Amino acid sequence: AQSVAQPEDQVNVAEGNPLTVKCTYSVSGNPYLFWYVQYPNRGLQFLLKYITGDNLVKGSYGFEAEFNKSQTSFHLKKPSALVSDSALYFCAVRDMYTGTASKLTFGTGTRLQVTL
Amino acid sequence: NAGVTQTPKFQVLKTGQSMTLQCAQDMNHNSMYWYRQDPGMGLRLIYYSASEGTTDKGEVPNGYNVSRLNKREFSLRLESAAPSQTSVYFCASSELRTRESGELFFGEGSRLTVL
Repeated sequence: AQSVAQPEDQVNVAEGNPLTVKCTYSVSGNPYLFWYVQYPNRGLQFLLKYITGDNLVKGSYGFEAEFNKSQTSFHLKKPSALVSDSALYFCAVRDMYTGTASKLTFGTGTRLQVTL
Repeated sequence: NAGVTQTPKFQVLKTGQSMTLQCAQDMNHNSMYWYRQDPGMGLRLIYYSASEGTTDKGEVPNGYNVSRLNKREFSLRLESAAPSQTSVYFCASSELRTRESGELFFGEGSRLTVL
């Protein structure tokens, strides 16, 4: 079984400050990890992914995430937050070997609030 | 460049009524999915279709049926709606090839209220 934990329901940060949204995961094999963002009344948009290779992956809108195998974590980061980053963020995982469908398991989401 | 299109966007039902949510994708993806999103619970997989002609249950399939009509279209049916099915429903698609990650592409969602 695979699972994801996002321990913070909400993260508050001031514009211009760095932000971190936490995610830990559990899979039986090697993980594929994803971050998605959801703006109000919209669908989920893909931000970035980790498959293999460099532990620091870069994605859209200046976001990056660090894969840490020993801590089974995949935290989302951004050096300087913008008010427009305020949204709901989801971490997702799947085992590398899940047959022919990409069945992602999602976390419960973290609401990011960036204030002036 | 539509991507994944869902209809309807909003629907209100009475308990016991039936309805079908429609989903179509124009990315020529093999796999399609239905998720529901509830506050504090994230997204949970209802059903998926790995390829045309196949469907499988996800985490929360009870009360739902699906049909993979063709490669483009994947519908979700509620035969007898219950208040517990009040939720936002998302359709998604993906292409999973060897050594690729198979990220999902989502529609804009269908907000369903069951009274």
